[in-house]
Amino acid sequence: DAKTTQPPSMDCAEGRAANLPCNHSTISGNEYVYWYRQIHSQGPQYIIHGLKNNETNEMASLIITEDRKSSTLILPHATLRDTAVYYCIVRVADFGNEKLTFGTGTRLTIIP
Amino acid sequence: DTEVTQTPKHLVMGMTNKKSLKCEQHMGHRAMYWYKQKAKKPPELMFVYSYEKLSINESVPSRFSPECPNSSLLNLHLHALQPEDSALYLCASSPRGGGMGEKLFFGSGTQLSVL
Repeated sequence: DAKTTQPPSMDCAEGRAANLPCNHSTISGNEYVYWYRQIHSQGPQYIIHGLKNNETNEMASLIITEDRKSSTLILPHATLRDTAVYYCIVRVADFGNEKLTFGTGTRLTIIP
Repeated sequence: DTEVTQTPKHLVMGMTNKKSLKCEQHMGHRAMYWYKQKAKKPPELMFVYSYEKLSINESVPSRFSPECPNSSLLNLHLHALQPEDSALYLCASSPRGGGMGEKLFFGSGTQLSVL
């Protein structure tokens, strides 16, 4: 699976949009971009995933550049409960490829 | 029910003890995972079971022994651990084990301390 690069930490004011970048310049055509987050003392939680189109769900939006070398996770109205470590992961979506490999992630702190 | 339940939440054991961690899900998922997470580090994959068969072992020492008695249960048997094995042990499950759009559901983990 391709490697990802994320900033180690970010701050965002409560109520504002949090934009978390991820670089995956070596991504292959059959690799999906996944985002998970881990709130302190809990297991990781799935947020969203995409291949090449932008995606939105009830938690967040995922913007993938046209060349697919980078993406941005957007939390539209950040709350204090969004303080967590956010992991960007690229993964081949093949049956039998069960590996989900976490990088170092971005520690997002929402400031009141 | 969209939960993965892990027991116990906390465990303290000596280096000569034998203990087991348990994980249970009732979502009908056919893949189950063990991850290990040291403080301030990302989770690291240890084992994957797919349709109750061990499909991935990430070169984990034999003092960790996984077991999948049925599709809902996953155990991790611990024996002769070292203090450096102290970590948060996370269990996860997914519907099929790979495939488009596959999501992993994680439990809250067992915090293990080896004295």
